[in-house]
Amino acid sequence: GAVVSQHPSRVICKSGTSVKIECRSLDFQATTMFWYRQFPKKSLMLMATSNEGSKATYEQGVEKDKFLINHASLTLSTLTVTSAHPEDSSFYICSARGSGPGELFFGEGSRLTVL
Amino acid sequence: GQQLNQSPQSMFIQEGEDVSMNCTSSSIFNTWLWYKQDPGEGPVLLIALYKAGELTSNGRLTAQFGITRKDSFLNISASIPSDVGIYFCAGGVGRGGSQGNLIFGKGTKLSVKP
Repeated sequence: GAVVSQHPSRVICKSGTSVKIECRSLDFQATTMFWYRQFPKKSLMLMATSNEGSKATYEQGVEKDKFLINHASLTLSTLTVTSAHPEDSSFYICSARGSGPGELFFGEGSRLTVL
Repeated sequence: GQQLNQSPQSMFIQEGEDVSMNCTSSSIFNTWLWYKQDPGEGPVLLIALYKAGELTSNGRLTAQFGITRKDSFLNISASIPSDVGIYFCAGGVGRGGSQGNLIFGKGTKLSVKP
């Protein structure tokens, strides 16, 4: 299957700072990537759809100024958590569409801890 | 909105047992996918189903796309310790190039019987 890589896998930051998480499709081009947030023992919650060359589409209740998404190339999308607070601590996962209809391949996830 | 009901929520297995889990919905889906997630990792695609009635195997895993397009099941035969993890079903409504978002079930946590 296709490979999607996330970086960093873990990040700890101070409250008020901004953190950038990268999502790369390593062996295929992804015009669309998705960003999810996952709370402990819960399913994935879709935050936004990242479209190459255009603005991201955010799900209801997700602050676009808080979670900045940039999809500057066909292999890279970034999620920046701005002015992070402890309640932003979570597991963030990205995914990219594969060639098969409806297929999604996921990154390894990024654990954010805000102190 | 569309929702998936995944069951069971959790189950304990003994090595060698067969395992079965399923997802149901009141909505119709065009794609069903099954993922496994290990702690601290992203979900990994196990099986993708694209046609109603389709039965697909991947090693010891077998999944079926329900004929009504509203359900799917995943079976694991002769379970082994490394099968432990959380399994998610996901339903998709996109067709062909229109690859829409996936709706995820809440997951089935597989643990080993003490």
